[in-house]
Amino acid sequence: DVVLTQTPPTLSATIGQSVSISCRSSQSLLHSNGNTYLHWLLQRPGQSPQLLIYSVSRLESGVPNRFSGSGSGTDFTLKISGVEAEDLGVYYCVQGTHAPWTFGGGTKLELK
Amino acid sequence: QVQLQQSGAELVKPGSSVKISCKASGYTFTSYDMHWIKQQPGNGLEWIGWIYPGNGNTKYNQKFNGKATLTADKSSSTAYMQLSSLTSEDSAVYFCARSGYFDFWGPGTMVTVSS
Repeated sequence: DVVLTQTPPTLSATIGQSVSISCRSSQSLLHSNGNTYLHWLLQRPGQSPQLLIYSVSRLESGVPNRFSGSGSGTDFTLKISGVEAEDLGVYYCVQGTHAPWTFGGGTKLELK
Repeated sequence: QVQLQQSGAELVKPGSSVKISCKASGYTFTSYDMHWIKQQPGNGLEWIGWIYPGNGNTKYNQKFNGKATLTADKSSSTAYMQLSSLTSEDSAVYFCARSGYFDFWGPGTMVTVSS
């Protein structure tokens, strides 16, 4: 199974600060069809996860554009340009290139 | 608007089975995979499998072979997951989510296995 390693496990930020989360894969996530199925989710406390970014860098409808995704192959990054209070929670990367789908261990974003 | 409504919390005995549901609305149920995901208390997310309601095709995480069975009822736009031979390790919140992009999620169903 593909292992996704997220760093850091915990991130402390002030409102307005820009932060980045890394997701490294144990193998390339480039599918034979040319797509890369690496997505980012946010799970706020007590809620279901929600999709933020799909296919590395595509912003899901309704998600603020302070969120952005980048990367290729095995290294991916989620950036939040100006953290807001509603961004607090646990961020997960997830891959669907190789079955079974696998999730990263999560990065908890807290207020400093 | 797309909604996924899940059945309520379950308290079940070890060794028994439980069947939880996920009723979809706001889109064509037969056109999207439905995925199931497990989250144990304080832990991350684990993919169980998916079902394509259009033709009933399923794919499972090998870890859940024999544990989870996915079905779908096109007439009611409802996906189901049955978990069998339950142990304390199966105590978790179970989510349904639409498509391999996980673009919409249900609220989760908590299953507690206890005698």
